[in-house]
Amino acid sequence: DAGVIQSPRHEVTEMGQEVTLRCKPISGHNSLFWYRQTMMRGLELLIYFNNNVPIDDSGMPEDRFSAKMPNASFSTLKIQPSEPRDSAVYFCASSGRTGVIYQPQHFGDGTRLSIL
Amino acid sequence: DQQVKQNSPSLSVQEGRISILNCDYTNSMFDYFLWYKKYPAEGPTFLISISSIKDKNEDGRFTVFLNKSAKHLSLHIVPSQPGDSAVYFCAASDWGNDMRFGAGTRLTVKP
Repeated sequence: DAGVIQSPRHEVTEMGQEVTLRCKPISGHNSLFWYRQTMMRGLELLIYFNNNVPIDDSGMPEDRFSAKMPNASFSTLKIQPSEPRDSAVYFCASSGRTGVIYQPQHFGDGTRLSIL
Repeated sequence: DQQVKQNSPSLSVQEGRISILNCDYTNSMFDYFLWYKKYPAEGPTFLISISSIKDKNEDGRFTVFLNKSAKHLSLHIVPSQPGDSAVYFCAASDWGNDMRFGAGTRLTVKP
């Protein structure tokens, strides 16, 4: 089975440029999550979707960050304009739920973003 | 506001011995707890979980203990193996799908 697929794996761009990170969740999963990992703060939840609807975006650091999930198989995280402090590894994860039984989140391998 | 805390950034253990990783949380609404393992350049992978109705869950060499009154959980790995060397994240959820992670503990198992 294909896992969560993220692209690109690495992104290096200059400050002020727009950055778009992409994620394909596991087929059949109805929840999708975006995380950011930094040395200082560990894994931070940025936003999550249930059935393509954003549920909690309180972790999105600023208006420069936006996320969309136009359908069940695709999501984007966009940063515009990008700044050096946005440099981090960004992870996407997905999960499903059988009734009230929790299912663990499955993570992609991340996008390492460097803003120069 | 760190609702899930892993106060030890690193832990070094001899092969064959027990590794104990600790995690504290502040939100009493959390009802589901997980441990993830992360190797470099990979995403975290699920290791073991426990719901708040239990105080122990075991899976092979891995056991998670939950102390709700102390808002504390721990992961025991016995015996530890060099392949267990990784960063371990504790995570907690409160009846929703959102999950809060600790900052991680880097475990090194020495041969």
